Amino acid sequence: QKEVEQNSGPLSVPEGAIASLNCTYSDRGSQSFFWYRQYSGKSPELIMSIYSNGDKEDGRFTAQLNKASQYVSLLIRDSQPSDSATYLCAVNLAKVTGGGNKLTFGTGTQLKVEL
Amino acid sequence: DAGVIQSPRHEVTEMGQEVTLRCKPISGHNSLFWYRQTMMRGLELLIYFNNNVPIDDSGMPEDRFSAKMPNASFSTLKIQPSEPRDSAVYFCASSPRAGRYGYTFGSGTRLTVV
Repeated sequence: QKEVEQNSGPLSVPEGAIASLNCTYSDRGSQSFFWYRQYSGKSPELIMSIYSNGDKEDGRFTAQLNKASQYVSLLIRDSQPSDSATYLCAVNLAKVTGGGNKLTFGTGTQLKVEL
Repeated sequence: DAGVIQSPRHEVTEMGQEVTLRCKPISGHNSLFWYRQTMMRGLELLIYFNNNVPIDDSGMPEDRFSAKMPNASFSTLKIQPSEPRDSAVYFCASSPRAGRYGYTFGSGTRLTVV
């Protein structure tokens, strides 16, 4: 089992719909979770962070965390063509050395928002 | 703030040559990370530093790779000798304290070894 797992996609949604991106992680003791967006040929950009169970909303983005199920998701409401990118889930796994500064990334889910 | 600055943006080199990638982290960030990204393997952490000290280099593929951070504002990743399988995008990232705040990535260096 991969430490951080995402469906590679592509996930295609029509413009205006809700896009739902999912991520599972292996280490139950993990505490910090992040979503990055990466446009083709660009570097990853941090868009959301979440640390507690439940939902966290920021504009059109909502991150959801369920530590019991070891599951984190990202919802994008009113999807726009400009949201088309690869979305990377990153987890600060509990079983790390050196003070826990290391993030482990999933392989990303490609999102395509169609007109 | 100018963000994390990497150079060069693109590097094309011949197999066997030495390659040096450079990174300037965001001022005040005390953690610095080197990642490599390929289509096949995604983002892989190579090494990271806290307060200029290497903490975890378990991701460095082999002895051909080395990284230094002589001060808080500069780091290098060196490959010697380079091989075609080293071709990838190399990202540098920094953070005040990644476990809580996440990383800020630089623009990356696209390395092609022919």
